[in-house]
Amino acid sequence: KNEVEQSPQNLTAQEGEFITINCSYSVGISALHWLQQHPGGGIVSLFMLSSGKKKHGRLIATINIQEKHSSLHITASHPRDSAVYICAVLTSSNYKLTFGKGTLLTVNP
Amino acid sequence: NAGVTQTPKFRILKIGQSMTLQCAQDMNHNYMYWYRQDPGMGLKLIYYSVGAGITDKGEVPNGYNVSRSTTEDFPLRLELAAPSQTSVYFCASSYDPTLAGGLGYEQYFGPGTRLTVT
Repeated sequence: KNEVEQSPQNLTAQEGEFITINCSYSVGISALHWLQQHPGGGIVSLFMLSSGKKKHGRLIATINIQEKHSSLHITASHPRDSAVYICAVLTSSNYKLTFGKGTLLTVNP
Repeated sequence: NAGVTQTPKFRILKIGQSMTLQCAQDMNHNYMYWYRQDPGMGLKLIYYSVGAGITDKGEVPNGYNVSRSTTEDFPLRLELAAPSQTSVYFCASSYDPTLAGGLGYEQYFGPGTRLTVT
């Protein structure tokens, strides 16, 4: 069993829809990171959080430490949001990132 | 600032050949990482370095070697390339994640190197 599980693996939405991507983990963590990988391959960090909720523009990330679960929400989705979204946990034992397999999001106009 | 740069962008190797993937960063980060990304899989840590002269193995180090002679550069060496090393390789850097009060620091990624071994 992977230490970091994401769902769904693939997600197709229409422009304007509300998107939710889920991440569950089974190890002790110090923090959880959400990253975005565009079709060209570049990876950028979106959020780092250890509790509660963070918001940046149309993106919202939440984490529930007790349930070992995090969600990434995109409001009013747009075709430019099409990318792979990756959940990664910073393990408290060694401060290394363990990555989920990613969720491929396609937003159609 | 260029951030994290990697060369080459693409490379095709024959089985048994060797090559070095170059990585450089200009953000004065002390931590540097090498990951590989296989289709349908999460990024896996190959090697990392906490500063010049100090390197350590990650999750999948077999078949690779690294060195860190300067803060800026962290090359990854493939000796005797095998088809199992066909992958996309990412270099990343960050400040010391243990000093960030638990959150860690953002990792900055290079653009990746797509390597095919045939």
